[in-house]
Amino acid sequence: NAGVTQTPKFRILKIGQSMTLQCTQDMNHNYMYWYRQDPGMGLKLIYYSVGAGITDKGEVPNGYNVSRSTTEDFPLRLELAAPSQTSVYFCASSYFGGGAGDTQYFGPGTRLTVL
Amino acid sequence: KQEVTQIPAALSVPEGENLVLNCSFTDSAIYNLQWFRQDPGKGLTSLLLIQSSQREQTSGRLNASLDKSSGRSTLYIAASQPGDSATYLCALRWYSGAGSYQLTFGKGTKLSVIP
Repeated sequence: NAGVTQTPKFRILKIGQSMTLQCTQDMNHNYMYWYRQDPGMGLKLIYYSVGAGITDKGEVPNGYNVSRSTTEDFPLRLELAAPSQTSVYFCASSYFGGGAGDTQYFGPGTRLTVL
Repeated sequence: KQEVTQIPAALSVPEGENLVLNCSFTDSAIYNLQWFRQDPGKGLTSLLLIQSSQREQTSGRLNASLDKSSGRSTLYIAASQPGDSATYLCALRWYSGAGSYQLTFGKGTKLSVIP
């Protein structure tokens, strides 16, 4: 299994540009998550999904959109990039949203810079 | 709102020492607590998950404890090795209402084990 894969690894955007961060998992997990991690800070939840077709906002959803058309994929969309969105973005997945299967598996991250 | 604090922010120890990392939280109504390891430029790797009904979990040289009444968890690392050098994060899953479970991360403790 490849686990959780993310593309791209690095990206530089200009203010106002848009892009999609890709996330794919091959573990047949129901739950998927998008986090951002700013320097010296913990991770903050942007959006999460409990299954195909179902998404919900996390702690910091403004400026982002998500969709979940398949179990495997959970792309994150930035429509109008702003410098405040400069961060490292992590995608994660878990089988359940709680209980013994709650262990989250993380992708390697996408380092995004908005200039 | 759940808040998670990790002390110390950074720790440097000589190889072979036993050490304790601390995680405190403000609301004892948690679902579970998870300890992660993050290597520079990489994603997070789950180390241990403790359910709210459990007091501790062990894996190899690692032991994590949970005391909900005092709002604390500790990660004990025995006989530290240079390969243990990384940032360690704790994360709490808690029920945020309307069938939703949030995951809140601490900012992490950066551990350096000196050969």
